[in-house]
Amino acid sequence: NAGVTQTPKFQVLKTGQSMTLQCAQDMNHEYMSWYRQDPGMGLRLIHYSVGAGITDQGEVPNGYNVSRSTTEDFPLRLLSAAPSQTSVYFCASSYSRRNSYNEQFFGPGTRLTVL
Amino acid sequence: RKEVEQDPGPFNVPEGATVAFNCTYSNSASQSFFWYRQDCRKEPKLLMSVYSSGNEDGRFTAQLNRASQYISLLIRDSKLSDSATYLCVPSTWISGGYNKLIFGAGTRLAVHP
Repeated sequence: NAGVTQTPKFQVLKTGQSMTLQCAQDMNHEYMSWYRQDPGMGLRLIHYSVGAGITDQGEVPNGYNVSRSTTEDFPLRLLSAAPSQTSVYFCASSYSRRNSYNEQFFGPGTRLTVL
Repeated sequence: RKEVEQDPGPFNVPEGATVAFNCTYSNSASQSFFWYRQDCRKEPKLLMSVYSSGNEDGRFTAQLNRASQYISLLIRDSKLSDSATYLCVPSTWISGGYNKLIFGAGTRLAVHP
């Protein structure tokens, strides 16, 4: 199993450009999510999905879109990049079982700089 | 007030030392609790879950106090390889079908020879 994979590893964008961060998992997990991590702060949830065709907003969704057409893939789209979106982005996946300790598995991250 | 409060450290300890990290969380509805470890410029990885009765995994012991909304992690006989940031993570089941994890900013541990 490859686990959770993310591409690209690094990206530099200019203000106003758009791009898609890719995320895929091969563990047949129902739940997938995107976080951003900024210095001195915990990971913050951007968007999440509990299954193909179902997505919802996390705590910091503005400026980002997601879709989930398959169980495996969960891309994150930046619509019009802003310097405030400079961050490290992590994709994660897990099973989604109530009253269970559902371990979240993380991808290696994408380091994004917006100039 | 932050949902999860952790001392950012760094905790600088010699090899072989015992070190303890504490964490408080604000959401009394939190049901599951975890410690994740994050190495520099890497992704977080699960270190251990934290059960109500407390649990141990080798050199690591985790405790939970629901009444005080407090979680702790004890590391005995520290190794150089324990140097990392330790993230306290309570979670809450959200209707709609997922565990919402709230990540603390982490406590940094540096173990020196």
